Amino acid sequence: GAVVSQHPSRVICKSGTSVKIECRSLDFQATTMFWYRQFPKQSLMLMATSNEGSKATYEQGVEKDKFLINHASLTLSTLTVTSAHPEDSSFYICSALGAGEQYFGPGTRLTVT
Amino acid sequence: RKEVEQDPGPFNVPEGATVAFNCTYSNSASQSFFWYRQDCRKEPKLLMSVYSSGNEDGRFTAQLNRASQYISLLIRDSKLSDSATYLCVVTDTGTASKLTFGTGTRLQVTL
Repeated sequence: GAVVSQHPSRVICKSGTSVKIECRSLDFQATTMFWYRQFPKQSLMLMATSNEGSKATYEQGVEKDKFLINHASLTLSTLTVTSAHPEDSSFYICSALGAGEQYFGPGTRLTVT
Repeated sequence: RKEVEQDPGPFNVPEGATVAFNCTYSNSASQSFFWYRQDCRKEPKLLMSVYSSGNEDGRFTAQLNRASQYISLLIRDSKLSDSATYLCVVTDTGTASKLTFGTGTRLQVTL
């Protein structure tokens, strides 16, 4: 099956700093990628849809200036959490759309201290 | 009201048992339906799509009732390796684009 990687798998950062998370489709090209966030014991919530070569589409309530998304190539999308705060601590998961199905990355666990 | 609702469980069942999970969705325009499996601290993985006619994949059977906006998953002959959280997922388009996830139902299969 299609493989999607994420880096880093785990990151701890201090409050006020920025963190970049990479999502790569390894064996297929993805014009569309998605970013989700999952808090403990809650469902995955879609944050934004990332389209190669254009601006991301953010879901209601997600601050686009805080969660910067760049999808500069057909195999890479990045999510930057700017000025991170403890409430941003969560499990961030990306997915890439290929052949009508979403393939998920392994997730990045962000802890902001 | 949540868009996709599931009983969070946990469901604790002995190995070999049959267990059923239910899910309801609020958007009558939803078109595609799926069950995903998520292991602790891992990404979700597609278990099976759900069709109106019902479908079966080995020990797993999924059913969809559009009139009642209700989806079910039946697992027969439970294995220890079935222990996971099962996520009910719907989309409002014909393709797997914008997925809406339920909170999941946790299953623990014991010896």
